[in-house]
Order: sequence, then structure tokens, then C-alpha cells
Amino acid sequence: KAGVTQTPRYLIKTRGQQVTLSCSPISGHRSVSWYQQTPGQGLQFLFEYFSETQRNKGNFPGRFSGRQFSNSRSEMNVSTLELGDSALYLCASSLEILGAGANVLTFGAGSRLTVL
Amino acid sequence: DQQVKQNSPSLSVQEGRISILNCDYTNSMFDYFLWYKKYPAEGPTFLISISSIKDKNEDGRFTVFLNKSAKHLSLHIVPSQPGDSAVYFCAARPSNTGKLIFGQGTTLQVKP
Repeated sequence: KAGVTQTPRYLIKTRGQQVTLSCSPISGHRSVSWYQQTPGQGLQFLFEYFSETQRNKGNFPGRFSGRQFSNSRSEMNVSTLELGDSALYLCASSLEILGAGANVLTFGAGSRLTVL
Repeated sequence: DQQVKQNSPSLSVQEGRISILNCDYTNSMFDYFLWYKKYPAEGPTFLISISSIKDKNEDGRFTVFLNKSAKHLSLHIVPSQPGDSAVYFCAARPSNTGKLIFGQGTTLQVKP
């Protein structure tokens, strides 16, 4: 079955612009979460959506937002881009069965954002 | 506040030997711990997990050990292979949430 698909894979923006990243989860997965990866910082949790509702949010400014659609696809938006927003943005989905253990996240390949 | 820490940025081992990757955490409210492997230009892929009520889980060449009193977990890879060269992330899941808290990662190099 198809994995987690993220688009675009690479993009370049300038400071002050805004960007929208898209994520299509694995079919049947209802939980979608987003992470930011920067050198030396590991993966930082941005937010998690389940059935179109934001269930958890990380410690990022309000410029970072997201949403989930009824088909479980998700988008994240970053407004008023700053140089420090340059990073790899990773989307992950999970099946989310209660009591099923670790509910492993399956990641997409990421969207590499460069802010100039 | 870094709740999950991987203090070794890199590790180099010889093919066929054991690789031991370490991870420390500060929060007792994690119910699962996971290890992910990441190659360049790819997303992280799941390797192995362990419940907080266990102290060991094994899957082929990979074994994860959990020491709750020390708040420490480790991933053992035996025998190490050149294809294991990648960045390894440990992650912890706060109880009853869908999010993971990741360490900074350890780059493993397995030399032929």
C-alpha cells in the first residue's frame, strides 16, 4: 500500500512569505502529526490531528498552523517566514487503535523548506 | 527542556561487532519508547519499540533495553552491518497521547 506522501519535496521561499505543505496519510490512518527537523535539534513536535481535530500542539509560535480534512489529508501553514524556519518538515500517520500498543508512526520523506 | 537526550552525536563500529546506542529521559510519564532509523533524504523508519512495563524487547538483530530506575534505554545491534549506517533517533510517547518526543539523534557508521 502507498506510504505517507508529502508535497512539495523541496521549496525555497523568502522571509515574510508564507508556505503551505501537504500530507496524504496511509489509507485508513486517521491520526496525522507534523514534526520539524533541524540540525542538532532532532525532531520537534508541531501538532497532531485526529478526525479533523487538533489533539496536541507543540511549543511553536502561532505562525505555525495546520488542519486536517475529512479524508484525513492534512496541511500545515507557516506565515511570515523567518530564516530559522528553514528545516525538514515531516508528516507522520498512525492507525491509532486503542490498546494496540505503541501506535507506531509512519513518516513521509518530508518537505525541505529553505528560507532566504 | 530536552526530555529525551541522546548524548552521543556519533558512533563508529566495525562490521560484525555490536553497536550500542544510548538514550536518557527525564519524564516518568512515558508509556512507550521507540527507535527510528533515518537515511538521508528519507523519512525516519520505525525499528523497534518497548513498553514502559517491560525491560527488554528483541527483534532479530535489534534489542532494546529499558532501565526505568536510571531512566535510560539502549539499542543493541548485533551483528552490525554497513547498511545499518544511518541516524538513529530514540523517541518517547507521553501516556495516552499520539505524539512522540525525540532525542537529537546519533549517527552510526559501520565500517566494512
